[in-house]
Amino acid sequence: QVQLVESGGGVVQFGGSLRLSCEASGFAFSDYGMHWVRQPPGKGLEWVSLIHSDSGNEYYRDSVEGRFTISRDNAKNTLYLQMDSLRPEDTAIYYCGKDRGGPIDYWGQGTLVTVSS
Amino acid sequence: EIVLTQSPATLSLSPGETATLSCRASRSISTWLAWYQQKPGQAPRLLIYDASNTVTGIPPRFSGSGSGTDFTLTISSLEPEDFAVYYCQQRFNWPPFTFGQGTKLEIK
Repeated sequence: QVQLVESGGGVVQFGGSLRLSCEASGFAFSDYGMHWVRQPPGKGLEWVSLIHSDSGNEYYRDSVEGRFTISRDNAKNTLYLQMDSLRPEDTAIYYCGKDRGGPIDYWGQGTLVTVSS
Repeated sequence: EIVLTQSPATLSLSPGETATLSCRASRSISTWLAWYQQKPGQAPRLLIYDASNTVTGIPPRFSGSGSGTDFTLTISSLEPEDFAVYYCQQRFNWPPFTFGQGTKLEIK
């Protein structure tokens, strides 16, 4: 069965960096695009980034463009999100998800990122 | 950016009743809309894609309809496990993919 397991969250100071990982299993990882979606505590869902299956194309929401970098290692079945210049408004649970042409058909359990000011 | 507005914010119903949740797009998105269910402490779960296609394994009491700017998620004969927050998401014009703000379906 499809499994996505995020790791790498934690508490970081304003301006700091974190690298999230998402280990995938149960499907042909290299064949699918992958998303990062975040959810601030008690709030709704916010799409963050998408990377295509071959790492050829990356997309970001405006508020993270230039600060976050999505990448993947298809040999390791792992998705990454490098987050630099973190701000308090980046505080959220970060989910990775498998792309189904736009909708996300499988989600990880999430990892919490807290940015302190 | 396409804005999705969900209504109502909160819907209070009893088990056995039918829930009707609305999602309105700021401009036409054809049928490129998905619906998700999220329970407390859990990740979202995809229910419906392309407005009316139910994901394999989702109970038939869940159905989606609509096109253009107005969409509906209908849950017939509510079960206790259906009480959760529901989100719509568009894939017509991206980036960014956008979500509605959510509708909380609570037990009356």
